[in-house]
Amino acid sequence: RKEVEQDPGPFNVPEGATVAFNCTYSNSASQSFFWYRQDCRKEPKLLMSVYSSGNEDGRFTAQLNRASQYISLLIRDSKLSDSATYLCVVVGYSGGGADGLTFGKGTHLIIQP
Amino acid sequence: DTAVSQTPKYLVTQMGNDKSIKCEQNLGHDTMYWYKQDSKKFLKIMFSYNNKELIINETVPNRFSPKSPDKAHLNLHINSLELGDSAVYFCASSRGGALHFGNGTRLTVT
Repeated sequence: RKEVEQDPGPFNVPEGATVAFNCTYSNSASQSFFWYRQDCRKEPKLLMSVYSSGNEDGRFTAQLNRASQYISLLIRDSKLSDSATYLCVVVGYSGGGADGLTFGKGTHLIIQP
Repeated sequence: DTAVSQTPKYLVTQMGNDKSIKCEQNLGHDTMYWYKQDSKKFLKIMFSYNNKELIINETVPNRFSPKSPDKAHLNLHINSLELGDSAVYFCASSRGGALHFGNGTRLTVT
C-alpha cells in the first residue's frame, strides 16, 4: 500500500456544486495533515491544516478520520477559481522526506460553468 | 516581499552541462528543501537542510549537490545534466510541517 494515496481524477464538477475527495495514508503514527492547492504551472500553496476535530475555512471543510486513516476535503458552492490540483500532505515518522513529509500525487478538480 | 524566491525561473541547457539553481527565504525558517516535480506531476523530495545540516537525502544521484551558505539560502548544483533531469524544481522552507514553496524553476535539458 502506498504511503499517501489520492484519486487523481479529474473530477469534473458544475459550478455551485459541492465536491469532496479523500486522501488515505498508511502510517498510523502520522502526526499532522495538510491540504495544499497547486494551480497549473505554479507552486503548491498551503490551503489548510487538518485538525483532529476537523476545521472549516469559508467554503472549505477538512476532516480527519484516524480510525480509517484518511483525510477529506469538502468544497461547498464551488467556484470556477477552485479548479486546481489538491495535494494532501501527511507528516509522520517513517518514510517520506525530511520531517516525515509525504505528498500525495494530487486530485485534479475542474469546475465547469 | 517574496517569502521564498528561487532563480532562474526557466533554465534550458544541454546534456552534460553543470548548472545551479538558487533559493532564498526571508521567513526565518529553520528547514529548507528541494523538491522535484516531474512530467507526471508527482512531487518528490530531494534534500532538506536544517540549520545548515543535511538531514535527508532521498537517494538522489550524487550529480545533485545542495549547498547552504547560511540558514536563509539553499542552492542546488547539478553536474553532468541528463535528459531525465528535465522537470520543475521547487525550493521550500518550513517550520512545523507547513511548507512555503518558491515559484519553481523549469529545467529543460536538450
